[in-house]
Amino acid sequence: DGGITQSPKYLFRKEGQNVTLSCEQNLNHDAMYWYRQDPGQGLRLIYYSQIVNDFQKGDIAEGYSVSREKKESFPLTVTSAQKNPTAFYLCASSIASGLYGYTFGSGTRLTVV
Amino acid sequence: GENVEQHPSTLSVQEGDSAVIKCTYSDSASNYFPWYKQELGKGPQLIIDIRSNVGEKKDQRIAVTLNKTAKHFSLHITETQPEDSAVYFCAAGDILTGGGNKLTFGTGTQLKVEL
Repeated sequence: DGGITQSPKYLFRKEGQNVTLSCEQNLNHDAMYWYRQDPGQGLRLIYYSQIVNDFQKGDIAEGYSVSREKKESFPLTVTSAQKNPTAFYLCASSIASGLYGYTFGSGTRLTVV
Repeated sequence: GENVEQHPSTLSVQEGDSAVIKCTYSDSASNYFPWYKQELGKGPQLIIDIRSNVGEKKDQRIAVTLNKTAKHFSLHITETQPEDSAVYFCAAGDILTGGGNKLTFGTGTQLKVEL
């Protein structure tokens, strides 16, 4: 079955540590996205990539970094510079034109202690 | 940039009643308006979408209407069932003119269908 896989589902990290969230898709989608979800704030765009080796900042990119070395993969690193990293992180993908909307992964809940 | 407002934030209905969720958007360049349903602990799933050249779209018990002049769109669920209970998100974006395919999401509506 085609889909988008995020791992791990739950992640705990100590304050000040960098952590990388995995996102893999086998839908042959060109575009991939990272969103952050906080209670009462909906989904906010962190980074997006429309093609391999290219990505753009979203609305809340500070404290995050990404790479897009392969079409299938779009990992997100939450760095120690992110002031409030505890959140639910969602990865999504779409075909290049976006005409059929996004397919979302099941999310990673990151808790920083 | 685009700004999407969604109301209400919570909605409680009796089973069999209808539910309506409303969204407004700010950017007249937006031409694609999807609705997502998110169940607890899962990622959002697309349930219906509408493009700017269409005023209404239906899929069984779900319908979406779009008023481009007023910049608002709504989700209508008829004959609600307990399995409709979830968080619903609206979104808006420009996907037809090279706008980067970015979607801006509303803040979500927690729908509860009571027996």
